Amino acid sequence: DTEVTQTPKHLVMGMTNKKSLKCEQHMGHRAMYWYKQKAKKPPELMFVYSYEKLSINESVPSRFSPECPNSSLLNLHLHALQPEDSALYLCASSLGPTPEINSPLHFGNGTRLTVT
Amino acid sequence: AQKITQTQPGMFVQEKEAVTLDCTYDTSDPSYGLFWYKQPSSGEMIFLIYQGSYDQQNATEGRYSLNFQKARKSANLVISASQLGDSAMYFCAMRTPIQGAQKLVFGQGTRLTINP
Repeated sequence: DTEVTQTPKHLVMGMTNKKSLKCEQHMGHRAMYWYKQKAKKPPELMFVYSYEKLSINESVPSRFSPECPNSSLLNLHLHALQPEDSALYLCASSLGPTPEINSPLHFGNGTRLTVT
Repeated sequence: AQKITQTQPGMFVQEKEAVTLDCTYDTSDPSYGLFWYKQPSSGEMIFLIYQGSYDQQNATEGRYSLNFQKARKSANLVISASQLGDSAMYFCAMRTPIQGAQKLVFGQGTRLTINP
């Protein structure tokens, strides 16, 4: 079983809806990540939080809004999405954000999002 | 810029045979990390094995080993005694430092199918 928990597992939303994806880990990790994965493609980084502060935004459209309420939780707020935003959204965490710490990213099971 | 290349879109192997999944990388950083992840159809990214650029020995984890040839910039994954449950998508990834955090850059992946 994964130690990174994502909810919901599946989400269908209209283009005018507002929804949120949630991610939780209790491994004491201090870096958390959102990745987007389209079908038959590798995951692509969206956001990185380091010690609860946003450290990387990979030029993601503003209709995606991340939030890190505390060191264990990571949210992704969705508003006015487009059908092309349909994808698997993966949350991940790692022991630390610094490159010297050679710890792997631990991924959740992902949320399969469909925008209609 | 860092780049990961996986040249095998798909591989078919008989159960109990060994299989090698290819991965080459390109980076100008002297310090880097290489990871292999397995992604079953359920979507979860499962960490398999890690190799650091300064590690003297090839990494091993159970049935997984990494054939690291630094001069050739290759980090191939070897799975011994393959099992039906090994059927999945496999991604090679490289950790790169960015803005005080770490970013994983993924290859395009190899879909492995184990035949009974």
